[in-house]
Order: sequence, then structure tokens, then C-alpha cells
Amino acid sequence: EVQLVESGGGLVQPGGSLRLSCAASGFTFSTYAMSWVRQAPRMGLEWVSAISGSGVSTYSADSVKGRFTISRDNSKNTLYLHMDSLRAEDTAVYYCAKGWGSVSYSVNYWGQGTLVTVSS
Amino acid sequence: DIQMTQSPSSLSASVGDRVTITCQASQDIGNYLNWYQQKPGKAPKLLIYDASSLETGVPSRFSGSGSGTDFTFTISSLQPEDIATYYCQQYDNLPPYTFGQGTKLAIK
Repeated sequence: EVQLVESGGGLVQPGGSLRLSCAASGFTFSTYAMSWVRQAPRMGLEWVSAISGSGVSTYSADSVKGRFTISRDNSKNTLYLHMDSLRAEDTAVYYCAKGWGSVSYSVNYWGQGTLVTVSS
Repeated sequence: DIQMTQSPSSLSASVGDRVTITCQASQDIGNYLNWYQQKPGKAPKLLIYDASSLETGVPSRFSGSGSGTDFTFTISSLQPEDIATYYCQQYDNLPPYTFGQGTKLAIK
């Protein structure tokens, strides 16, 4: 059974940093692209970032480019999102999501999410 | 980036009704479209991929159609457990993969 468990969310001040983690199990992690998608309170879904199964290729939304970095450790079956220069508008539930294949970034399974709150 | 326009933003229907949601892409995306269901406080769940393919385990009352720029999502007979917000998402070529604004479905 596929499981994606996010962690690392919390309260952070504007301008601060945070690293989210997503522990994956139930599938061969290194052979699937992974993504982060976020949802601000009472708002819709926003695609944030994606990474290929090997970790060689990464993509990010313009809204986070230069501030957020997606990475993965295939030896630990873990996906990361390092977030710098956080803003109030980054407040959201962040979902880790699994793709269909190594370079197939469309999402077919989601974790339960971790809440990030940016506030002073 | 490709823009996705989803409508309506909300709708109310009775149990047993046929419900239709539309999604329009700002450019041709072939059939590279997903439909997700999100219940309150829960993660989204994939229902339809490749515009019309039903994900494993999803009830057959859910269906999708369309290609190019215009897509439709249909619930043939609305059930109480279908109360949720529904999102389309395009995945043409490489990311960014944009979502529609969502449709909140309520029971009349």
C-alpha cells in the first residue's frame, strides 16, 4: 500500500526558513517522480514543485522559484521541500504527491499534508 | 503557463441528479487532464486521468470527456457521499501543471 507521510510544518516568522519532509513507502520510490502541491486556507490547489525519479530534473512554480528547493534522497525514500524567505502568502497545507513514473509528473496519489503558517 | 478555467465555482443538486462540471484550457492540451475530488479536511483523490480514464476503484457514475481545450466531468446520479470540491488539472508536456479554480458541490 502506498503511503506518503509529510512532516516539518509549523509556525515560522516572515523571512524565515523551513524544511518539509515526505516519507514514502509501499512502492519503489526512486522510480517515481514526486511533487509538492499546496492549498492556502479556504482556497484552491496550487502546484508548487516537481522532481524526477532520479532527482536530476526539477521544476518550480514562478511564485516560489528562487526561494523553494525540491530534493530527494532515494536511499531514505524521502522527498524534501526546503523553503527560504517565507512570506505570509506561503501559508498553506503542503501535500506530497506521487507521479505515474520516473519522468511522469502527473499526480495519482497524495499524502495527508502538513500545515505551514507564516506569521509574526 | 497554461490557464485552466473551471465552471461553475459552486453548484447545488439533488440526490440522483446528473451533475456536470466543465474545464477549459487556454491552449490545446490533448487529453492530458485529471479530475480530483477533495472532501473537507482531506487530501485530494484522483478520479479521472487522461481526460476520460477512470482510476481503479472509482465508481462508474463518475466520468470524463473532452480533448483539446474543452473538457467535461459528469456524475451520472449524485450520491450524498459525493459532496466535495472537484478540481481539474492539466499535465501537458512538462510542469507547471495548473489546476482549475475548483467546483464546490452541495446537496440541495
